[in-house]
Amino acid sequence: DTAVSQTPKYLVTQMGNDKSIKCEQNLGHDTMYWYKQDSKKFLKIMFSYNNKELIINETVPNRFSPKSPDKAHLNLHINSLELGDSAVYFCASSQGRGGHAETQYFGPGTRLLVL
Amino acid sequence: AQSVTQLDSQVPVFEEAPVELRCNYSSSVSVYLFWYVQYPNQGLQLLLKYLSGSTLVKGINGFEAEFNKSQTSFHLRKPSVHISDTAEYFCAVIARSKAAGNKLTFGGGTRVLVKP
Repeated sequence: DTAVSQTPKYLVTQMGNDKSIKCEQNLGHDTMYWYKQDSKKFLKIMFSYNNKELIINETVPNRFSPKSPDKAHLNLHINSLELGDSAVYFCASSQGRGGHAETQYFGPGTRLLVL
Repeated sequence: AQSVTQLDSQVPVFEEAPVELRCNYSSSVSVYLFWYVQYPNQGLQLLLKYLSGSTLVKGINGFEAEFNKSQTSFHLRKPSVHISDTAEYFCAVIARSKAAGNKLTFGGGTRVLVKP
């Protein structure tokens, strides 16, 4: 009955490969997010979707493409992986689309290592 | 744009001692303020948040934080820590603007290491 789940938990891959990370929430929330946490623990938002509509799109290389098949799922596809993509990627969700500081609930993270 | 500075990257503290984690922010608009905790190899969990009203906010696990508008600070405190409080703590803000979405801007984190 995990609220926000991510798969896989660990991902080790070679430079140049294409990979996807999946996120699902069973909280009935309208908004989902992707954050990146680098090796120094710095956290930065990448994307946000509300009811399958992209509402936040930070300065992220276009090798990163989010896809939201429905409001309970937000996947992250990464093309042509680079060493600098190694990080922990967190998915989160919240009710509403913002403006009221809705609490965001985070998944356990996907640890990506690019060799 | 918003920015958040956590002044201490690491805070060692003995069990049952008090701890204070400092957080300052900069923003051209009003903000909502948050503290999140990240236990080892886990996701983030909300400790508390300030939206409006009383500047002293109480959260889970005995933590509290005080919003000081003039000093643009939101320091987190706990009067007596436990070993289980060993974790990374993140201060964050969201701009009070629907146009901004629900975008959290995080500080760099403070690692709390509780020693027996």
